[in-house]
Amino acid sequence: AQSVSQHNHHVILSEAASLELGCNYSYGGTVNLFWYVQYPGQHLQLLLKYFSGDPLVKGIKGFEAEFIKSKFSFNLRKPSVQWSDTAEYFCAVNRASGNTPLVFGKGTRLSVIA
Amino acid sequence: GAVVSQHPSWVICKSGTSVKIECRSLDFQATTMFWYRQFPKQSLMLMATSNEGSKATYEQGVEKDKFLINHASLTLSTLTVTSAHPEDSSFYICSARGRLAGPYEQYFGPGTRLTVT
Repeated sequence: AQSVSQHNHHVILSEAASLELGCNYSYGGTVNLFWYVQYPGQHLQLLLKYFSGDPLVKGIKGFEAEFIKSKFSFNLRKPSVQWSDTAEYFCAVNRASGNTPLVFGKGTRLSVIA
Repeated sequence: GAVVSQHPSWVICKSGTSVKIECRSLDFQATTMFWYRQFPKQSLMLMATSNEGSKATYEQGVEKDKFLINHASLTLSTLTVTSAHPEDSSFYICSARGRLAGPYEQYFGPGTRLTVT
């Protein structure tokens, strides 16, 4: 079965610092990759997704992620975080073939301080 | 487009009673719906997958007799927590996939917070 690892449990950054959140998955086949954000008290929102093509994916709110197939990774980046980026971030994966559900990582809590 | 709603958004019930949570796809036909459970400050754990008109497929460790899932139409799935106990208190999130661009995307509902007293 596939699994998703998010190594950073809690990240604390100052405003304007750069962000990189790690995500690795374990599945040898072709996958679809997603990053979701959950702001305090709110529901999941899709930040970006990768199905195929350019491995560098740009999403909303200035986020981007790079798919590195050889490393089974899909790290999320943002050059300059804002206080409003404080939230929980989830990486999710599913197999590209078949009607398979998303499997989520444990999430990374990002706290941005002024 | 691609809006998923859940009702109720929160519910408090007494131990031993049953609670039904509805999940609706408002502007698309959801051929597949997924139910997740999220404990405080934890990730989403898949409970079950249901295809319209078929019985749900439950993940290992999820009691199918306790968490009854019905996907009777292309826009509605329900999760009934039967004989609820305090340990069933959690945030339940549904997700739907349907006949839209990007067949592998899942659209998430806002979640239902269940508290069992």
